[in-house]
Amino acid sequence: KQEVTQIPAALSVPEGENLVLNCSFTDSAIYNLQWFRQDPGKGLTSLLLIQSSQREQTSGRLNASLDKSSGRSTLYIAASQPGDSATYLCAVSARFGAGTRLTVKP
Amino acid sequence: DTEVTQTPKHLVMGMTNKKSLKCEQHMGHRAMYWYKQKAKKPPELMFVYSYEKLSINESVPSRFSPECPNSSLLNLHLHALQPEDSALYLCASSKLTSAKDEQYFGPGTRLTVT
Repeated sequence: KQEVTQIPAALSVPEGENLVLNCSFTDSAIYNLQWFRQDPGKGLTSLLLIQSSQREQTSGRLNASLDKSSGRSTLYIAASQPGDSATYLCAVSARFGAGTRLTVKP
Repeated sequence: DTEVTQTPKHLVMGMTNKKSLKCEQHMGHRAMYWYKQKAKKPPELMFVYSYEKLSINESVPSRFSPECPNSSLLNLHLHALQPEDSALYLCASSKLTSAKDEQYFGPGTRLTVT
């Protein structure tokens, strides 16, 4: 059964900083990995999906990378803004990591 | 239309009640999922339906009974729930046909068991 781990559990940064969130998974036989954002009390918003054949995917200030052989993915957020404050979750084979709670201070 | 809809948005039920949660999508997706999410925790996978057949049951108690009447509709029947079952219940769907198999989530049903 796929197990997904995310570090750090929480992160607080000043506005404008670049940051990296980490996700690792135990079974490298994956089809894809998906990053989500969740605001408090709200549903999940899909940010990026990386197919198993891809090494990275970009959307605006977000860049996600995938290293299937080592079971790792990173989500890079450039020039962070207070509006980026949320919990970021990665999902592999329909299973989620515990998330990283990000706070961006003005 | 890339929307997954869930009804009701909120539900309060007693421990002896029977109720159902409903999820619908019209994207032609052939996989549908139920998740349970407690406060400040990630979504936990409960059930997966692939081509209208139950393919994954994550050892969920029998007081939760899923049903997939057709490829667009997913129900979760609830009976004799416990207060600890209070949570946000999320439904998702995906194509199931390729590696670009993105999950789309509904807004969830917030369930309170009294």
